[in-house]
Amino acid sequence: DTAVSQTPKYLVTQMGNDKSIKCEQNLGHDTMYWYKQDSKKFLKIMFSYNNKELIINETVPNRFSPKSPDKAHLNLHINSLELGDSAVYFCASTQDRGLDTEAFFGQGTRLTVV
Amino acid sequence: QKEVEQDPGPLSVPEGAIVSLNCTYSNSAFQYFMWYRQYSRKGPELLMYTYSSGNKEDGRFTAQVDKSSKYISLFIRDSQPSDSATYLCAVLYGSSNTGKLIFGQGTTLQVKP
Repeated sequence: DTAVSQTPKYLVTQMGNDKSIKCEQNLGHDTMYWYKQDSKKFLKIMFSYNNKELIINETVPNRFSPKSPDKAHLNLHINSLELGDSAVYFCASTQDRGLDTEAFFGQGTRLTVV
Repeated sequence: QKEVEQDPGPLSVPEGAIVSLNCTYSNSAFQYFMWYRQYSRKGPELLMYTYSSGNKEDGRFTAQVDKSSKYISLFIRDSQPSDSATYLCAVLYGSSNTGKLIFGQGTTLQVKP
């Protein structure tokens, strides 16, 4: 069973469209994240949710809106897609246990905006 | 200046070589350090973590932290072609449930048979 699963794996769409990426974790973790990895492999946090509550909201355009219906799911909706949104988006989860925390990542969603 | 700096490489070595991967960080408040390994088209996976200065060994891998110089290293002994991947150093800023992982850019390693 996949611990952190994202759908879709690949997404090709036109500029201006709205799209969603879904993430589910079956690890029973309390905290979930969205990261963006650019073409140079630089991985940067976008959002984190702890028990459905938004904890971290980095400097991300408000076209990006995360939604957490329950603590096992964290979806990412993107409005009015732009060319610069093309990247790999990773969902991740952690269990709260102090500093000794391992983040489990999904396989990523490769978004290409044309 | 990025909070965590890492030479992106690529780094190409022959099988059996000793590999040294390095990162520097800017904030002395960082106290928890990790190395993640990312295979092509996959998500990162935790390889090693440490929270104190000094060395930590796990099989062929050794993680080293020097807090006085804000330097993080990963050594791979007897490198194998299966070690070919991107290696990301990371620091944890804040607590586990309210903090965030800050990653370096990643170093792409190729181990040639």
